[in-house]
Amino acid sequence: AQTVTQSQPEMSVQEAETVTLSCTYDTSESDYYLFWYKQPPSRQMILVIRQEAYKQQNATENRFSVNFQKAAKSFSLKISDSQLGDAAMYFCAYRMYNNNDMRFGAGTRLTVKP
Amino acid sequence: NAGVTQTPKFQVLKTGQSMTLQCAQDMNHEYMSWYRQDPGMGLRLIHYSVGAGITDQGEVPNGYNVSRSTTEDFPLRLLSAAPSQTSVYFCASSYGIGQDYEQYFGPGTRLTVT
Repeated sequence: AQTVTQSQPEMSVQEAETVTLSCTYDTSESDYYLFWYKQPPSRQMILVIRQEAYKQQNATENRFSVNFQKAAKSFSLKISDSQLGDAAMYFCAYRMYNNNDMRFGAGTRLTVKP
Repeated sequence: NAGVTQTPKFQVLKTGQSMTLQCAQDMNHEYMSWYRQDPGMGLRLIHYSVGAGITDQGEVPNGYNVSRSTTEDFPLRLLSAAPSQTSVYFCASSYGIGQDYEQYFGPGTRLTVT
């Protein structure tokens, strides 16, 4: 079974600094997707970034980028120029290529200090 | 588009009571699913549906029933609530299955069973 592990229950970062959230996963599949979701206090799940496993190039979305290491089964999220609005729970998630069953990590709570 | 809507936002039940959590989407999505989110854990899939009249079990289906009579609606039924079902419940939908179809999440329902 696919599992997703986030080893950092909590992280904090100074405003305008950079922070990296870690995620590892276990799968025997070769084609799959990886995601980072943000969950603010409103509970809404917001897609931050997505990576297709067949793409070697790391995904980027404005201040958010990933470091995807397929052989190591590692998928970290880097947030640059952190803003107060980035404070939230962040979930790493995995999905196989041919179905919609998403497996989530336990989450990392990010605090941004002014 | 309203996207994915869930009602109610909050609910308190006594052990043994039954209730239905409502989920609706107005995006003509074929795939719909229910997740639960517990403290210290990521979201876990309860049930899903790949189209009207078709449902299947996810990772944690026990204690829950679903049906899909229309494309728009996917209610989740708790027949006899137990304290272990205290959780936040999320409904999600996507246009298709697998590939790069994005899943859209509802705002969640916080359920407490006493």
